[in-house]
Order: sequence, then C-alpha cells, then structure tokens
Amino acid sequence: GQQLNQSPQSMFIQEGEDVSMNCTSSSIFNTWLWYKQDPGEGPVLLIALYKAGELTSNGRLTAQFGITRKDSFLNISASIPSDVGIYFCAGPSGGSYIPTFGRGTSLIVHP
Amino acid sequence: GAGVSQSPRYKVTKRGQDVTLRCDPISSHATLYWYQQALGQGPEFLTYFNYEAQPDKSGLPSDRFSAERPEGSISTLTIQRTEQRDSAMYRCASSLDDRGTQYFGPGTRLLVL
Repeated sequence: GQQLNQSPQSMFIQEGEDVSMNCTSSSIFNTWLWYKQDPGEGPVLLIALYKAGELTSNGRLTAQFGITRKDSFLNISASIPSDVGIYFCAGPSGGSYIPTFGRGTSLIVHP
Repeated sequence: GAGVSQSPRYKVTKRGQDVTLRCDPISSHATLYWYQQALGQGPEFLTYFNYEAQPDKSGLPSDRFSAERPEGSISTLTIQRTEQRDSAMYRCASSLDDRGTQYFGPGTRLLVL
C-alpha cells in the first residue's frame, strides 16, 4: 500500500524558533492533510491542501502542496509551548477519500 | 453531541477475552471511521460506515475484528479472542459525509495481558 514518510521523527526546539517538517509519498496525492495530536487527545485537522503548488496558512502555520504531488511541507513560525504535540501528514489513498497517515513528527518546545 | 466520545477510555483485558469498544459520533455526522494507532505510529484505517452501511472493512486485521452501527449513530468495535498484538489505541472519527473533515475522538487504549 501507499507509504508516507515523515521527517524529522522528532524535534526539540526553543520557544520562538521556526519549525519545518515534511512528508513524502511513494505515489501521487491529490490531497494533503496536516493534523496535530495533543497529548491524550485525538488528531485535529490543521490545514488541507488540494492543488499542486498550493500554499496555505493558518495563523503561524503554513503548509505547501509539493509540485511533484508526492510531498508536502509544514512550517510553524515563532513556536510557543502549546505547539507541543505530534504532527501527522495524511492523504487519501487510491480512489477513496480515506486518508493514510504518516508516522508523525513529535515536537517539543522548551520555554 | 458536542464532539466524538469513546468509551471506555482505558481497557485492560486478558488474552483470549472478547472486548467491545464504543463510539458516539457527532450527532449530525453520517460517516464514522475506526482506526488503530500503535505507539509511535499514525492512525491506521480499520473500517468505516455511512449511516448503517459498511462500505469498506478492508483494514480489519482479521476476522476476530468486527464493527457495527445498527441505527446509523453509535458504533461498536468488537475484538474476539484478544491477542497481545491487539494492544493499541483505538480511535473513532466522524464526518458529515465521506469527503468531509474527520473529527477524532479521544480514543480507547486497549492493553491485552
């Protein structure tokens, strides 16, 4: 089946730093989704991307749909302690709308 | 309801026992999904429902796993003759329809001893 590779696996940063993470796929995606999972909670959708080259922002978060349609990037600017959590990329596989999830990037922000 | 709820939040059982997990989706949502999430992994699809219909159960790992949504609202996931490898977080999500944004519940953490 389709595989999503997320990197880095984990990040330890200082408050105020910018963060960048990415996701690559072995096949073409038509939609990219970025979720955040807080400790003890389920994933929450942050940003959805629907077109190659699309750049979308949600507050301090910016995500891009790669031109090749096989990758996506998520950037967080001026990180704060509440950004702590696991960030998942996801995308529907084949002809269905059911997303396949990456393994996640764990983010820790030191105050 | 205000959000997706799941019960129990934690379940410890002995190998060989049956367990049933419950999901209560957002009330207006037609579509309900079940995922299994191992430690350090993302959620993996198990099955989904549109109302009471179950169009896809391709993600269920074996015939010990089954799910129901008899009245198109609350759903249950049953694992028969549990095995230690079944230990994981089981997450439910719901959406307005099968193309809509999925809203996840807090999950049930299952530990099989």
